[in-house]
Amino acid sequence: DGGITQSPKYLFRKEGQNVTLSCEQNLNHDAMYWYRQDPGQGLRLIYYSQIVNDFQKGDIAEGYSVSREKKESFPLTVTSAQKNPTAFYLCASTPRRSDNSPLHFGNGTRLTVT
Amino acid sequence: RKEVEQDPGPFNVPEGATVAFNCTYSNSASQSFFWYRQDCRKEPKLLMSVYSSGNEDGRFTAQLNRASQYISLLIRDSKLSDSATYLCSITGGGNKLTFGTGTQLKVEL
Repeated sequence: DGGITQSPKYLFRKEGQNVTLSCEQNLNHDAMYWYRQDPGQGLRLIYYSQIVNDFQKGDIAEGYSVSREKKESFPLTVTSAQKNPTAFYLCASTPRRSDNSPLHFGNGTRLTVT
Repeated sequence: RKEVEQDPGPFNVPEGATVAFNCTYSNSASQSFFWYRQDCRKEPKLLMSVYSSGNEDGRFTAQLNRASQYISLLIRDSKLSDSATYLCSITGGGNKLTFGTGTQLKVEL
């Protein structure tokens, strides 16, 4: 079955450490996205990528970095510069960035930083 | 005014009831509209797209009101399993996709 896989499901880190969240898709989608969800807030866009080797900042990119070396993979690094990293992180994809398609989501990674 | 707004609820309704949620948006150039369902601690899943002509899928009906800039989701004959948070998403100018904060529905016996 095609889909998006995020790993791990739960991640715990100490403050000051960088951490990388994995996102892999086998839907052959060009566009991939990272969102963050906090209680009482909507999903907020961190970064997105329309094509391999290209990515753009979203609304809350500070303290995060991404890479898109392969079409299938779009890992997100939460750096120590991110002030409030504890959140639910969702990776998503669409066939293309500008085709007004709904998002397909991975099952999320819940990151806790103490 | 927020780009996309939803009443957070919770909406507590008895099983079998009809319930409706609205989602208002500020950008009149918005192009595509969706409703997602999100269960506790899970990812959002697409429930239905919202077309200009409306969209019905079983007990669920979605409508778009461009004049008043809102979309709605109507659930008939509510089931316990409908309990979840319902998120709207709107694609506005520049293909920017914005989510509402979600409306929580609790269906009770």
